[in-house]
Amino acid sequence: NAGVTQTPKFQVLKTGQSMTLQCAQDMNHNSMYWYRQDPGMGLRLIYYSASEGTTDKGEVPNGYNVSRLNKREFSLRLESAAPSQTSVYFCASSVGIRTDTQYFGPGTRLTVL
Amino acid sequence: GNSVTQMEGPVTLSEEAFLTINCTYTATGYPSLFWYVQYPGEGLQLLLKATKADDKGSNKGFEATYRKETTSFHLEKGSVQVSDSAVYFCATTASGSARQLTFGSGTQLTVLP
Repeated sequence: NAGVTQTPKFQVLKTGQSMTLQCAQDMNHNSMYWYRQDPGMGLRLIYYSASEGTTDKGEVPNGYNVSRLNKREFSLRLESAAPSQTSVYFCASSVGIRTDTQYFGPGTRLTVL
Repeated sequence: GNSVTQMEGPVTLSEEAFLTINCTYTATGYPSLFWYVQYPGEGLQLLLKATKADDKGSNKGFEATYRKETTSFHLEKGSVQVSDSAVYFCATTASGSARQLTFGSGTQLTVLP
């Protein structure tokens, strides 16, 4: 049982480059989330998808876009990376948007030079 | 919106010592409260949760009680082990229909043999 998987695990970009972070879950969950983790700040929600076909902004959406490709997959895109986007990115999923327990992937460590 | 304040780390204890990590929250309505744990190089895992006042969550020897009168959810363990070394996050759900998580900044725990 893989749970929540993320690719890549590590990535280094130059300022202005673009990239897409991939996330997939095999638990048949309806809701999916993207967070970023910065030192001393805990996790902050970037975007979430309550169900297939819907996406909504979280606390820190600027500079990011998301796509809920199907029920399993939820991708996060940086169109023009900036050094302020250097962070660890976590994807999570839950049974539903009103369900409390979220399950997290292993994370992607992104460095923007 | 909701917020969570956690005891600042890092915390260093000897094996078999008693652990307390303080957590207080501000929230409207009736949020659920959580403790997540992040082991080195991994994503977050749910450690325990409580969904209403006076509930006690427990798992792997860890406990926390939802105290509405003091808006607290302190994490305790009677005898820590080296394998408990990790970062611990307190979190609460947002009020309203979308149960988004709001995290504290995390507390690094190191247990020495």
